[in-house]
Amino acid sequence: DTAVSQTPKYLVTQMGNDKSIKCEQNLGHDTMYWYKQDSKKFLKIMFSYNNKELIINETVPNRFSPKSPDKAHLNLHINSLELGDSAVYFCASSQEAGGTEAFFGQGTRLTVV
Amino acid sequence: QQQVKQSPQSLIVQKGGISIINCAYENTAFDYFPWYQQFPGKGPALLIAIRPDVSEKKEGRFTISFNKSAKQFSLHIMDSQPGDSATYFCAASRGQAGTALIFGKGTTLSVSS
Repeated sequence: DTAVSQTPKYLVTQMGNDKSIKCEQNLGHDTMYWYKQDSKKFLKIMFSYNNKELIINETVPNRFSPKSPDKAHLNLHINSLELGDSAVYFCASSQEAGGTEAFFGQGTRLTVV
Repeated sequence: QQQVKQSPQSLIVQKGGISIINCAYENTAFDYFPWYQQFPGKGPALLIAIRPDVSEKKEGRFTISFNKSAKQFSLHIMDSQPGDSATYFCAASRGQAGTALIFGKGTTLSVSS
């Protein structure tokens, strides 16, 4: 039974399109995160939600908008996709603050062509 | 400004050898230091973590050594096996609401048989 699941696993789309990535965790955690892993494997925090409330919003283009309908779900919507958005996006969750004992999903590889 | 510096970028170790990966941090407010292991196509998985009140933590073949005064911590993998070949990330966080894991740039470990 997957703890943090993301869909889709792969996403190939054209520049200018709008796409969404969904994330669900069944761990009962209060905090969820979106990380971006670039082509050099660097992991960078994008957003964090605690109990549906946005608590971290790093310097990310406004085209990226997270949405948390409930504390088990955190989705990422991206408008007007650009080539530079190509990366692997990871959802994660943790019970305690600060990413302590955070569990990561399997990632969504986004390719913008 | 890179808050967590990791070295080396890549490492080749013979089977049965010791793998050592080092990290240095700048923010003295960090109080949680995990190591994550990532296999190709998978999400990062928590391997072992330490807090600043202890200088060493061991779990099986994996040991974290922590030097608070030098602001450094390292991962030692004893009796390295081909199955340990993966990318390893150190991270740090303040463990408080509104914070998240800050990752090092990763080390690609190859264990040759």
